[in-house]
Amino acid sequence: DAGVIQSPRHEVTEMGQEVTLRCKPISGHNSLFWYRQTMMRGLELLIYFNNNVPIDDSGMPEDRFSAKMPNASFSTLKIQPSEPRDSAVYFCASSLRQGYNEQYFGPGTRLTVT
Amino acid sequence: AQKVTQAQTEISVVEKEDVTLDCVYETRDTTYYLFWYKQPPSGELVFLIRRNSFDEQNEISGRYSWNFQKSTSSFNFTITASQVVDSAVYFCALRIQGAQKLVFGQGTRLTINP
Repeated sequence: DAGVIQSPRHEVTEMGQEVTLRCKPISGHNSLFWYRQTMMRGLELLIYFNNNVPIDDSGMPEDRFSAKMPNASFSTLKIQPSEPRDSAVYFCASSLRQGYNEQYFGPGTRLTVT
Repeated sequence: AQKVTQAQTEISVVEKEDVTLDCVYETRDTTYYLFWYKQPPSGELVFLIRRNSFDEQNEISGRYSWNFQKSTSSFNFTITASQVVDSAVYFCALRIQGAQKLVFGQGTRLTINP
């Protein structure tokens, strides 16, 4: 079975540019999570969706960040405009909403903003 | 509020030694779930185990074993006869019942030297 798929795996962009990260969750999973990992702050939850609906976006750092989930098999995390401090690894994870629902993570997108 | 503490930032051992990674958690909830994830040098986060608060049985899976003690709020992870491939950052995480957010510890970087 395919795991969580993220693209691109690496992204290098200049400050001020728009960045879009993409995620395809595991088929059948109805919860999707976006995390950011940095050396300073560790793993932080940015936002999560249940059945394509955003439930908690309190971790989104500021208005430059937005996330969408137009259907059960696709989500995007957009940063506009990007800043050097956004450089991090961004992980997408999915789980079943019901039950013990351990989260399965994608390979991550390493974002570098210069 | 929930909190997970992994006091050991880095551990380095020689191959074939046993090593224990400590995890201490804080929560006021009586029902919760504990997790361990592995992050190898390639960067992905790999789910290892989930333990429910109402099940204090220890678990063994091959060279891996987990010791859950509610009395000390600890969920420690032991690798027996360590191998170089065990080198990774290991994260302990907590989720309370009714919530989907995972609270991660800061991680322990484990290096197994040949």
